[in-house]
Amino acid sequence: AAGVIQSPRHLIKEKRETATLKCYPIPRHDTVYWYQQGPGQDPQFLISFYEKMQSDKGSIPDRFSAQQFSDYHSELNMSSLELGDTALYFCASSSPHGDYGYTFGSGTRLTVV
Amino acid sequence: GESVGLHLPTLSVQEGDNSIINCAYSNSASDYFIWYKQESGKGPQFIIDIRSNMDKRQGQRVTVLLNKTVKHLSLQIAATQPGDSAVYFCAENGGQNFVFGPGTRLSVLP
Repeated sequence: AAGVIQSPRHLIKEKRETATLKCYPIPRHDTVYWYQQGPGQDPQFLISFYEKMQSDKGSIPDRFSAQQFSDYHSELNMSSLELGDTALYFCASSSPHGDYGYTFGSGTRLTVV
Repeated sequence: GESVGLHLPTLSVQEGDNSIINCAYSNSASDYFIWYKQESGKGPQFIIDIRSNMDKRQGQRVTVLLNKTVKHLSLQIAATQPGDSAVYFCAENGGQNFVFGPGTRLSVLP
């Protein structure tokens, strides 16, 4: 069965560089959520999109931005990277009509050096 | 492997025993709860869910109990197996997104 696809799986960047993470939801899922999980931390909600519009915003830094495209995939853009941005970034998708079922991707491991 | 869980609460159980993992939630308006399992280097994997109009829900080898009075959630795993070793998170939803509780590392001893 198709799952949530995230790319790249691993990424190493230097401080002050930029990074773009991609998330491809399950087909027919119209809602995408981004989470950040630092080492030894619980996943923290960053931002979500429904039907290509931002639906909710969590603890996303101003240096980060995200969008959802017409094919429902989403990209998380991160600029002026800091060492503290080192984390596992998860994307999840859910289906329409109030179905809360979430499916998570395997995550992108970002290391900032 | 990743360093998730260096300071996580840990539960160690013997293979074949039952496991109980507890979680306290904060939002009394939360109406939907999910237990997730996370293995090293992987994304959270859905285990079981429960809505606030229920006290108990059973799945395959797992049972979730919800006590809304004290805002407490528990996950019971029957006949724990080595493959159950992972970090377990509960998550509550009272609005648009899920809030994760602190994870618990379950270690299954041979």
